[in-house]
This record gives sequence, structure tokens and C-alpha cells, in this order.
Amino acid sequence: QQQVKQSPQSLIVQKGGISIINCAYENTAFDYFPWYQQFPGKGPALLIAIRPDVSEKKEGRFTISFNKSAKQFSLHIMDSQPGDSATYFCAASTTGNQFYFGTGTSLTVIP
Amino acid sequence: EAGVAQSPRYKIIEKRQSVAFWCNPISGHATLYWYQQILGQGPKLLIQFQNNGVVDDSQLPKDRFSAERLKGVDSTLKIQPAKLEDSAVYLCASSLFHTGIYEQYFGPGTRLTVT
Repeated sequence: QQQVKQSPQSLIVQKGGISIINCAYENTAFDYFPWYQQFPGKGPALLIAIRPDVSEKKEGRFTISFNKSAKQFSLHIMDSQPGDSATYFCAASTTGNQFYFGTGTSLTVIP
Repeated sequence: EAGVAQSPRYKIIEKRQSVAFWCNPISGHATLYWYQQILGQGPKLLIQFQNNGVVDDSQLPKDRFSAERLKGVDSTLKIQPAKLEDSAVYLCASSLFHTGIYEQYFGPGTRLTVT
């Protein structure tokens, strides 16, 4: 059973555009929702994370929107750049235990 | 600050053979995770240690996989015997795990190919 569902599987965006990746979960015990960025041959790196007591968190060009009632959260990358081309994973955790990852989104930003 | 170290980076073995992976977490990080990442999928948690105790190993195939964390620092993950479906990247991560701080730092992974 997939604890965290992620879409789309792949995404192509023009440079300067907005990239949007969505995730959904079922377990209401989850209380930590991070997004990771992974380049080929590297381990995932934390990009930004949110807790369910806020609806939005912004760090630079990256924003997480969180909808607790719908059990959904999304990553928005503003002004997307070719260097943002990577695979992005959402995840969910209960107090730092039992991290469940989405299936990943391959983002390609076209110059 | 040195990152999470893993070795080897690559390993090719035949099915039914044994293999071991090593992880050295960031100094002072109490929590250590082992993940399996199959090509095209997200990481799947295999086992989580808090110091040298196991917090969660519910997704570890215990008939063939084993892991230990020596003195609450380094950790090894072993597969014995390996199957074709074990071909994957094995990622190690560590975190401070203070209350409210769950940021995981991942190592580069070990790519295992079972032939």
C-alpha cells in the first residue's frame, strides 16, 4: 500500500515557468512533510519541509502548500531554472519515524 | 561538516551470494536509517536505529537482510543470500533527532547489481 501518492511522474517546464508537484496521504498521524531533491548518482537532499499546523511555507523559489483537510500537499518551484532539473520526492513521517516516500517526479527545465 | 559516508559505492554479485554495506553517519547524529531505492522508485525504509537500538524494522526482509549499529555509530547492512530483486541503491541517512528536528542527511548510496 502506497502511503504517499505523488504526481506527475514526469514534468517538463520552460525556464522561468512554475513547476508544481502534488502529493496525497491517508495517515492523519503524519506530522512532518519534507520534499527532497535528488540528482543522478547522489542521495536525496532535503529541500523544504512543513508541519500540518501551517498552510504554506516558502524558502526562496520553493514553496510548500499544505491542505490538511484534503490530506494533500504540493511543491511549487517558481522561476524554474535548468539547474532545478532533478527528481523530486515528497515524504511523510510521524515524529521523525517511519518515513514514507512518494514515487518521485522527474523534472526537466528547458532553457 | 563531513557528510554521511557509505562504502562500497558499487557492488556486483551473483544471486545467492552475500554482500555487506557500511555506513558512517554524521558525527553526533543519534538516528540512522537504511533505505532501499529501486530504479524509478522512491526510497523505502528498511530499518531505523536510535543510537544502537532498533526503532523500526517492519519493512526489513528478515529472512535475508540483517543490520547492526556498532556502539551507536557505524552501521552495516547485510544481505544473505541475495536475490535478483535486491538490485537497487542502498541509501544510508542520519539525523540529529532532537524533538522537532527530523532533517535527514543522505549518503551517496551503494548501487547493488545482482546477476
